Amino acid sequence: DAMVIQNPRYQVTQFGKPVTLSCSQTLNHNVMYWYQQKSSQAPKLLFHYYDKDFNNEADTPDNFQSRRPNTSFCFLDIRSPGLGDAAMYLCATSRSGTSGYNEQFFGPGTRLTVL
Amino acid sequence: AQSVTQLDSHVSVSEGTPVLLRCNYSSSYSPSLFWYVQHPNKGLQLLLKYTSAATLVKGINGFEAEFKKSETSFHLTKPSAHMSDAAEYFCVVSRSGGYNKLIFGAGTRLAVHP
Repeated sequence: DAMVIQNPRYQVTQFGKPVTLSCSQTLNHNVMYWYQQKSSQAPKLLFHYYDKDFNNEADTPDNFQSRRPNTSFCFLDIRSPGLGDAAMYLCATSRSGTSGYNEQFFGPGTRLTVL
Repeated sequence: AQSVTQLDSHVSVSEGTPVLLRCNYSSSYSPSLFWYVQHPNKGLQLLLKYTSAATLVKGINGFEAEFKKSETSFHLTKPSAHMSDAAEYFCVVSRSGGYNKLIFGAGTRLAVHP
């Protein structure tokens, strides 16, 4: 089945130690998104890639970076995680079209713990 | 500008009884509307979507929603709740056409009791 895959599902890191989360997709969608979701809150968009074009949300901290080496993969890099960065990180994809980007398909998420 | 208000943060029902999760939206443009479900420690799954076709939209697992432009509402219903329906539900609005950044409601936690 076509899907969005996130690895690892659970990640523990230390305060200030860089961490990378990965996302891959078999849907061949050209748009990929990263969201941060804290407990009992709605997901918050960090940034998205439209093909190779990177689009950062205005309020996304510089501590968060992303890479998309090809259509299938996208990475979220947190350069110096703080305690406030502990959250669920969700990757999503969509296909652009004449009616807009259409619905987004989400991966299972990576739960990040910062010690 | 667009916004979404989910009128209930928590809803509790008994198994086998109807479910109603309420959502009101505001949009300056012709909206696309979605309901997503999220089970604990899982990603979001699309239940159904409205994109200017039929106003009554049927989704997965017996859920449906009705788009009412005059009331700016998109309430989610199910005739008979199942224990497996217990989850967080998000109503989402997006602009039809162009870039569809998703605007999420705050979520409604549905509890289903035996």
